[in-house]
Amino acid sequence: AQSVTQPDIHITVSEGASLELRCNYSYGATPYLFWYVQSPGQGLQLLLKYFSGDTLVQGIKGFEAEFKRSQSSFNLRKPSVHWSDAAEYFCAVVPFSYQKVTFGTGTKLQVIP
Amino acid sequence: GAGVSQSPSNKVTEKGKDVELRCDPISGHTALYWYRQSLGQGLEFLIYFQGNSAPDKSGLPSDRFSAERTGGSVSTLTIQRTQQEDSAVYLCASSLDIASGYTFGSGTRLTVV
Repeated sequence: AQSVTQPDIHITVSEGASLELRCNYSYGATPYLFWYVQSPGQGLQLLLKYFSGDTLVQGIKGFEAEFKRSQSSFNLRKPSVHWSDAAEYFCAVVPFSYQKVTFGTGTKLQVIP
Repeated sequence: GAGVSQSPSNKVTEKGKDVELRCDPISGHTALYWYRQSLGQGLEFLIYFQGNSAPDKSGLPSDRFSAERTGGSVSTLTIQRTQQEDSAVYLCASSLDIASGYTFGSGTRLTVV
Protein backbone atom coordinates (compact mmCIF):
# COMPACT_ATOMS: atom_id res chain seq x y z
CA ALA A 1 0.00 0.00 0.00
CA GLN A 2 1.12 3.55 -0.67
CA SER A 3 2.29 5.32 2.47
CA VAL A 4 4.54 7.96 3.96
CA THR A 5 6.34 7.38 7.24
CA GLN A 6 7.93 9.73 9.71
CA PRO A 7 9.55 7.41 12.22
CA ASP A 8 10.33 10.05 14.83
CA ILE A 9 7.32 11.31 16.73
CA HIS A 10 9.27 13.74 18.90
CA ILE A 11 12.80 15.13 18.63
CA THR A 12 14.64 17.44 21.01
CA VAL A 13 17.71 19.39 19.92
CA SER A 14 19.77 22.14 21.44
CA GLU A 15 19.66 25.57 19.90
CA GLY A 16 22.50 25.85 17.41
CA ALA A 17 22.72 22.11 16.84
CA SER A 18 22.06 20.48 13.50
CA LEU A 19 18.76 18.80 12.71
CA GLU A 20 17.62 15.96 10.51
CA LEU A 21 14.00 14.82 10.31
CA ARG A 22 13.33 11.57 8.54
CA CYS A 23 10.71 10.79 5.93
CA ASN A 24 10.26 7.57 3.97
CA TYR A 25 7.65 6.83 1.36
CA SER A 26 6.31 3.76 -0.31
CA TYR A 27 4.99 4.40 -3.80
CA GLY A 28 5.34 2.66 -7.14
CA ALA A 29 7.16 5.60 -8.66
CA THR A 30 8.79 8.70 -7.26
CA PRO A 31 6.02 10.99 -6.15
CA TYR A 32 6.10 14.72 -5.61
CA LEU A 33 7.54 15.35 -2.15
CA PHE A 34 6.93 18.17 0.30
CA TRP A 35 7.79 19.30 3.78
CA TYR A 36 5.40 21.48 5.78
CA VAL A 37 5.75 23.11 9.17
CA GLN A 38 2.98 23.82 11.65
CA SER A 39 3.64 26.23 14.48
CA PRO A 40 1.39 25.97 17.55
CA GLY A 41 -2.13 27.12 16.79
CA GLN A 42 -1.29 27.81 13.15
CA GLY A 43 -2.01 26.23 9.80
CA LEU A 44 0.61 24.47 7.74
CA GLN A 45 3.27 26.35 5.85
CA LEU A 46 5.19 24.93 2.89
CA LEU A 47 8.93 24.67 3.59
CA LEU A 48 10.11 23.08 0.36
CA LYS A 49 9.21 20.67 -2.41
CA TYR A 50 10.84 18.22 -4.78
CA PHE A 51 9.60 17.23 -8.21
CA SER A 52 12.66 16.24 -10.21
CA GLY A 53 16.21 17.28 -10.97
CA ASP A 54 18.70 18.22 -8.30
CA THR A 55 18.15 15.91 -5.36
CA LEU A 56 19.09 18.56 -2.82
CA VAL A 57 16.43 21.23 -2.54
CA GLN A 58 16.55 24.44 -0.60
CA GLY A 59 13.58 25.85 1.23
CA ILE A 60 12.59 28.72 3.42
CA LYS A 61 13.94 29.44 6.89
CA GLY A 62 17.30 27.81 6.10
CA PHE A 63 15.90 24.31 5.61
CA GLU A 64 16.97 21.86 2.96
CA ALA A 65 15.97 18.33 2.04
CA GLU A 66 17.66 15.56 0.13
CA PHE A 67 15.83 13.07 -2.04
CA LYS A 68 17.40 9.61 -2.11
CA ARG A 69 15.68 7.33 -4.58
CA SER A 70 17.54 4.22 -3.43
CA GLN A 71 16.28 4.72 0.11
CA SER A 72 12.85 6.14 -0.78
CA SER A 73 13.65 8.96 1.59
CA PHE A 74 13.26 12.71 1.68
CA ASN A 75 14.91 13.87 4.89
CA LEU A 76 14.74 17.44 6.10
CA ARG A 77 17.84 19.12 7.46
CA LYS A 78 18.98 22.36 9.01
CA PRO A 79 22.59 23.09 9.96
CA SER A 80 21.82 25.22 13.00
CA VAL A 81 18.46 25.19 14.74
CA HIS A 82 16.88 28.31 16.21
CA TRP A 83 14.41 28.38 19.08
CA SER A 84 11.77 29.64 16.65
CA ASP A 85 12.03 26.35 14.71
CA ALA A 86 10.14 24.55 17.48
CA ALA A 87 7.05 23.27 15.70
CA GLU A 88 5.59 20.16 14.14
CA TYR A 89 6.94 19.07 10.77
CA PHE A 90 5.01 17.05 8.22
CA CYS A 91 6.31 15.22 5.21
CA ALA A 92 3.82 14.90 2.37
CA VAL A 93 3.68 13.01 -0.90
CA VAL A 94 1.58 13.33 -4.05
CA PRO A 95 1.70 10.60 -6.67
CA PHE A 96 2.09 11.68 -10.27
CA SER A 97 -1.05 9.88 -11.25
CA TYR A 98 -3.43 11.57 -8.86
CA GLN A 99 -3.24 14.96 -7.21
CA LYS A 100 -4.10 13.85 -3.72
CA VAL A 101 -1.64 14.68 -0.96
CA THR A 102 -0.94 12.22 1.83
CA PHE A 103 0.76 13.40 4.99
CA GLY A 104 3.02 11.62 7.41
CA THR A 105 2.08 11.57 11.06
CA GLY A 106 4.41 14.45 11.85
CA THR A 107 7.50 15.02 13.96
CA LYS A 108 7.30 17.43 16.84
CA LEU A 109 10.52 19.38 17.30
CA GLN A 110 11.50 20.80 20.68
CA VAL A 111 14.43 23.21 20.88
CA ILE A 112 16.20 23.63 24.19
CA PRO A 113 18.60 26.44 25.16
CA GLY B 1 -8.17 36.61 -1.42
CA ALA B 2 -4.50 36.39 -0.57
CA GLY B 3 -4.85 33.20 1.44
CA VAL B 4 -7.20 30.41 2.34
CA SER B 5 -9.82 31.66 4.73
CA GLN B 6 -11.69 29.40 7.12
CA SER B 7 -14.61 30.28 9.33
CA PRO B 8 -15.37 30.16 12.10
CA SER B 9 -11.95 29.89 13.69
CA ASN B 10 -13.49 28.28 16.75
CA LYS B 11 -16.79 26.50 17.21
CA VAL B 12 -18.23 24.97 20.34
CA THR B 13 -21.36 22.90 19.82
CA GLU B 14 -23.51 20.57 21.80
CA LYS B 15 -23.48 16.89 21.05
CA GLY B 16 -26.15 16.04 18.51
CA LYS B 17 -26.18 19.43 16.82
CA ASP B 18 -25.22 20.01 13.19
CA VAL B 19 -22.31 22.27 12.26
CA GLU B 20 -21.11 23.89 9.07
CA LEU B 21 -17.50 24.81 8.47
CA ARG B 22 -16.57 27.12 5.66
CA CYS B 23 -13.51 27.33 3.46
CA ASP B 24 -12.81 30.13 1.03
CA PRO B 25 -9.86 29.07 -1.13
CA ILE B 26 -7.44 31.21 -3.04
CA SER B 27 -9.10 32.57 -6.14
CA GLY B 28 -8.39 30.40 -9.17
CA HIS B 29 -7.25 27.37 -7.22
CA THR B 30 -8.93 24.34 -8.74
CA ALA B 31 -8.09 21.81 -6.03
CA LEU B 32 -9.52 21.98 -2.52
CA TYR B 33 -8.94 19.61 0.37
CA TRP B 34 -10.36 19.07 3.83
CA TYR B 35 -8.28 17.46 6.56
CA ARG B 36 -8.95 16.73 10.19
CA GLN B 37 -6.30 17.01 12.86
CA SER B 38 -7.13 15.55 16.24
CA LEU B 39 -5.08 16.32 19.35
CA GLY B 40 -1.68 14.68 19.03
CA GLN B 41 -2.58 13.13 15.71
CA GLY B 42 -1.48 13.68 12.15
CA LEU B 43 -3.61 14.97 9.35
CA GLU B 44 -6.50 12.77 8.36
CA PHE B 45 -7.68 13.23 4.80
CA LEU B 46 -11.41 13.82 4.51
CA ILE B 47 -12.35 14.93 1.00
CA TYR B 48 -10.79 16.33 -2.17
CA PHE B 49 -12.35 18.48 -4.87
CA GLN B 50 -10.66 18.95 -8.24
CA GLY B 51 -12.29 21.28 -10.71
CA ASN B 52 -15.60 19.96 -11.96
CA SER B 53 -14.74 16.33 -11.28
CA ALA B 54 -16.64 14.23 -8.80
CA PRO B 55 -15.05 14.72 -5.36
CA ASP B 56 -12.96 12.04 -3.72
CA LYS B 57 -14.93 11.33 -0.55
CA SER B 58 -12.93 8.30 0.49
CA GLY B 59 -11.74 9.89 3.72
CA LEU B 60 -15.08 10.89 5.19
CA PRO B 61 -15.37 8.89 8.45
CA SER B 62 -19.12 8.40 8.40
CA ASP B 63 -22.28 9.43 6.58
CA ARG B 64 -22.69 12.22 9.12
CA PHE B 65 -19.98 14.06 7.21
CA SER B 66 -20.58 15.74 3.89
CA ALA B 67 -19.04 18.53 1.88
CA GLU B 68 -19.85 20.57 -1.13
CA ARG B 69 -18.07 23.10 -3.24
CA THR B 70 -20.21 25.65 -4.97
CA GLY B 71 -19.15 27.22 -8.23
CA GLY B 72 -15.70 25.73 -7.92
CA SER B 73 -14.87 28.12 -5.11
CA VAL B 74 -16.21 28.16 -1.55
CA SER B 75 -16.56 24.83 0.20
CA THR B 76 -18.69 23.87 3.18
CA LEU B 77 -18.03 20.85 5.37
CA THR B 78 -21.13 19.75 7.26
CA ILE B 79 -21.16 17.45 10.24
CA GLN B 80 -24.57 16.21 11.30
CA ARG B 81 -25.47 15.00 14.77
CA THR B 82 -22.02 15.85 16.12
CA GLN B 83 -20.30 13.48 18.50
CA GLN B 84 -17.51 14.18 20.98
CA GLU B 85 -15.04 12.28 18.82
CA ASP B 86 -15.62 14.87 16.11
CA SER B 87 -13.74 17.40 18.21
CA ALA B 88 -10.66 18.36 16.21
CA VAL B 89 -9.14 21.07 14.08
CA TYR B 90 -10.51 21.00 10.56
CA LEU B 91 -8.05 22.27 7.99
CA CYS B 92 -8.76 23.34 4.46
CA ALA B 93 -6.15 23.66 1.72
CA SER B 94 -6.26 24.75 -1.88
CA SER B 95 -3.92 24.37 -4.81
CA LEU B 96 -3.58 25.63 -8.36
CA ASP B 97 -1.44 22.69 -9.39
CA ILE B 98 1.02 20.29 -7.86
CA ALA B 99 4.01 22.47 -8.70
CA SER B 100 2.59 25.30 -6.63
CA GLY B 101 2.15 23.24 -3.51
CA TYR B 102 -0.79 23.60 -1.20
CA THR B 103 -1.86 26.60 0.83
CA PHE B 104 -3.56 25.88 4.11
CA GLY B 105 -6.03 27.91 6.07
CA SER B 106 -5.62 28.40 9.81
CA GLY B 107 -8.31 25.87 10.53
CA THR B 108 -11.51 25.65 12.49
CA ARG B 109 -11.22 24.25 16.00
CA LEU B 110 -14.38 22.30 16.69
CA THR B 111 -15.26 21.31 20.23
CA VAL B 112 -18.25 19.10 20.86
CA VAL B 113 -19.49 19.21 24.45
